[in-house]
Amino acid sequence: GQNIDQPTEMTATEGAIVQINCTYQTSGFNGLFWYQQHAGEAPTFLSYNVLDGLEEKGRFSSFLSRSKGYSYLLLKELQMKDSASYLCAVMDSNYQLIWGAGTKLIIKP
Amino acid sequence: IAGITQAPTSQILAAGRRMTLRCTQDMRHNAMYWYRQDLGLGLRLIHYSNTAGTTGKGEVPDGYSVSRANTDDFPLTLASAVPSQTSVYFCASSASSGHNEQFFGPGTRLTVL
Repeated sequence: GQNIDQPTEMTATEGAIVQINCTYQTSGFNGLFWYQQHAGEAPTFLSYNVLDGLEEKGRFSSFLSRSKGYSYLLLKELQMKDSASYLCAVMDSNYQLIWGAGTKLIIKP
Repeated sequence: IAGITQAPTSQILAAGRRMTLRCTQDMRHNAMYWYRQDLGLGLRLIHYSNTAGTTGKGEVPDGYSVSRANTDDFPLTLASAVPSQTSVYFCASSASSGHNEQFFGPGTRLTVL
């Protein structure tokens, strides 16, 4: 079966760095996406990785290792507004997104 | 209209009733999707459409139907609602069905009693 695993909840301090991990087992691979979802709102796109390595975009970076079925999202200089759920999703061989349950990130002052 | 809109925002529905959730996008995207989001679970794909005039079944299609008469609109119909269909429903669109990011509507919170 297809499976995306990520931690249910994480807590971090304002100004710090946090890494959210995602492991996956899917039928085929056509890229990995990270989305941010604030409570009661729609998911919004953060990053896309299809090749191994690190993609940096401002305070957010995303890493992919296809051989390990592993990705992480790195958030630097955490701000209170970063409190949200972070969703990992893999595009499978049918070009459909398989979603993880999300990681709720709590930022403390 | 800016982006993708959904209606209604929320709805309480009696079991057995028919309900259509509306979704409209103005980005001229070819592909559109319907997901449901339940606590503790990832988004699950209900139905999708790669282009106007075509539709396909996702992971959890039973009890739902869709149509795609034109590029902009992608309504989702519950023919006879059941309590297990209580969920938050998101419509999304992307430029194509390939490697493109998906843009999400604000969601419809549906409660079936």
